[in-house]
Amino acid sequence: QVQLQESGPGLVKPSETLSLTCNVSGDRINNYYWTWVRQPPGKGLDWIGYISFSGSTNYKPSLRSRATISLDTSKNQISLRLNSVTAADTAVYYCARSAVGGIVFDHWGRGILVTVSS
Amino acid sequence: QSALTQPPSASGSPGQSVTISCTGTSSDVGRFDYVSWYQQHPGKAPKLMVYEVNKRPSGVPDRFSGSKSGNTASLTVSGLQAEDEADYYCSSYAGGNNFYVAFGGGTKLTVL
Repeated sequence: QVQLQESGPGLVKPSETLSLTCNVSGDRINNYYWTWVRQPPGKGLDWIGYISFSGSTNYKPSLRSRATISLDTSKNQISLRLNSVTAADTAVYYCARSAVGGIVFDHWGRGILVTVSS
Repeated sequence: QSALTQPPSASGSPGQSVTISCTGTSSDVGRFDYVSWYQQHPGKAPKLMVYEVNKRPSGVPDRFSGSKSGNTASLTVSGLQAEDEADYYCSSYAGGNNFYVAFGGGTKLTVL
């Protein structure tokens, strides 16, 4: 059974870079697409982007200039970097496995709350 | 790209059926059969309940069913049970020139 676990700092200062890692166990990451989704406190889900097993990426247009998703196949990990963060980036960040070309998210991590504050 | 529109709340008594709608446009829900539904209990990660409009992953009860007509998709929960009380989110592929996945704002389902 595949399991995903997000990790990283829970507090990031405004204008700095948010860096998260998703550790995958129970499957090889080079078999699927992998997606990051976030959820501001008390609000709905917000798609950030995906990376394919070949390393191609796609991002939400409004985040394209600030977001980078990458793979580390040696560690079976996916990473998210979001630079120049503001309070609006405060959210629970989830990584998810995408079973259908980055469109359907069939396994999710538990999520990690990242707060942007000085 | 815009978010999909869901009613903020829905409710039903145990054993009843309830339907949650998800309205998009001809660029997303109306164009592609890539509508999914996710269930989220408080403090938990979302769980995939329906994908590609009406397919259920292994382990999801057949009380959950999906459909689509034009630009509106629907999730029906039949034989409501207490554990069905949760937030439900729809999503749709909204591709074209740029790959994009849109989510609905979520519907809080209350079992009375």
